[in-house]
Amino acid sequence: EAGVAQSPRYKIIEKRQSVAFWCNPISGHATLYWYQQILGQGPKLLIQFQNNGVVDDSQLPKDRFSAERLKGVDSTLKIQPAKLEDSAVYLCASTPGGFDYGYTFGSGTRLTVV
Amino acid sequence: GDSVTQMEGPVTLSEEAFLTINCTYTATGYPSLFWYVQYPGEGLQLLLKATKADDKGSNKGFEATYRKETTSFHLEKGSVQVSDSAVYFCALAGSRLTFGEGTQLTVNP
Repeated sequence: EAGVAQSPRYKIIEKRQSVAFWCNPISGHATLYWYQQILGQGPKLLIQFQNNGVVDDSQLPKDRFSAERLKGVDSTLKIQPAKLEDSAVYLCASTPGGFDYGYTFGSGTRLTVV
Repeated sequence: GDSVTQMEGPVTLSEEAFLTINCTYTATGYPSLFWYVQYPGEGLQLLLKATKADDKGSNKGFEATYRKETTSFHLEKGSVQVSDSAVYFCALAGSRLTFGEGTQLTVNP
């Protein structure tokens, strides 16, 4: 079974620029998550989708972050404009169902804002 | 709200030493508990899980027991290898999957 695909693997941008990340979950997985992992910290949930609907975006900084999951498959996460503190690894994960299933994580996109 | 507290790292051990990484949690109800591992340059991988009190999760020689009375889920391995060097995350599944801060483990030959 193919894993969770993410791109790009690395991205360096200047502050105030915009950036987008892409995620393709495991086929058939209804639930998709975006996490932010700042260096030295545990991952923090940004947004959770169930099919193409948002279940939880309470920790998403909506003034600069946006995400969508069209057709309930691929997802994009966008930051506009970026700040220095957005430097982190952005992880995408998917599960076939609820929380008790083991999440499958992608390799992540490492963002550096300079 | 839900929270997970892990022992501070980094932890450095010699090969074949015994490993314990402490994890305690705060949550309402009885959430499922997980240990994830992150090898250098890679994404998070599920190591083991336990879904109810007294359950023992195990994988690759690692074990953790869900202790409701002490709200703990400590990770143990009897004999670590150099290849076990990684960052280990404890997590609980409440309203969302909540992670601890991670513990860096380095195993020297």
